[in-house]
Amino acid sequence: GAGVSQSPSNKVTEKGKDVELRCDPISGHTALYWYRQSLGQGLEFLIYFQGNSAPDKSGLPSDRFSAERTGGSVSTLTIQRTQQEDSAVYLCASSPSAYETQYFGPGTRLLVL
Amino acid sequence: DAKTTQPPSMDCAEGRAANLPCNHSTISGNEYVYWYRQIHSQGPQYIIHGLKNNETNEMASLIITEDRKSSTLILPHATLRDTAVYYCIGRSNTGNQFYFGTGTSLTVIP
Repeated sequence: GAGVSQSPSNKVTEKGKDVELRCDPISGHTALYWYRQSLGQGLEFLIYFQGNSAPDKSGLPSDRFSAERTGGSVSTLTIQRTQQEDSAVYLCASSPSAYETQYFGPGTRLLVL
Repeated sequence: DAKTTQPPSMDCAEGRAANLPCNHSTISGNEYVYWYRQIHSQGPQYIIHGLKNNETNEMASLIITEDRKSSTLILPHATLRDTAVYYCIGRSNTGNQFYFGTGTSLTVIP
């Protein structure tokens, strides 16, 4: 079946601009996660959605970062006023429910000039 | 979630078994051991997970020591396409995120 998809696959933007990254989870998966991976580093947790519960935003690095999940499916990660240090691969994962195996998308490579 | 320790890099000859070790001495009774791998420029790929018993699937085998303080991921017949960074993760059944360290960079040599 279809896996997790993310768009765009690559994004180049100028410092100070806003960007939106999209994640389509596996159909039927109630849990959705966003991670960030800087060059040569491990994954850094950003935010977690589970069903209709309030999201766990504990990993968001600043108030420039926000995410929403509409209708319990598609999620959008928004970065406002991008900075060069925001350059990274942004990965989305979904799981059938909380605490189950997570399946990752291919990521969005963001470059802030 | 338990901190895990892995060697930074390993080599393996093509066709041979690749044995990737992981120490998780602080693992608690309800923490699973998960393995993922990440091939260059792709998202992490789930491989296998286990709690106490050894596990096997079409990709790999997971051997967990009786005291659960360490485990070994075994790729029985490594191919060039198995070259990747392999992550060992300890995760409780109440944790909602994975903590990825820097993993082991496995290079399969022709």
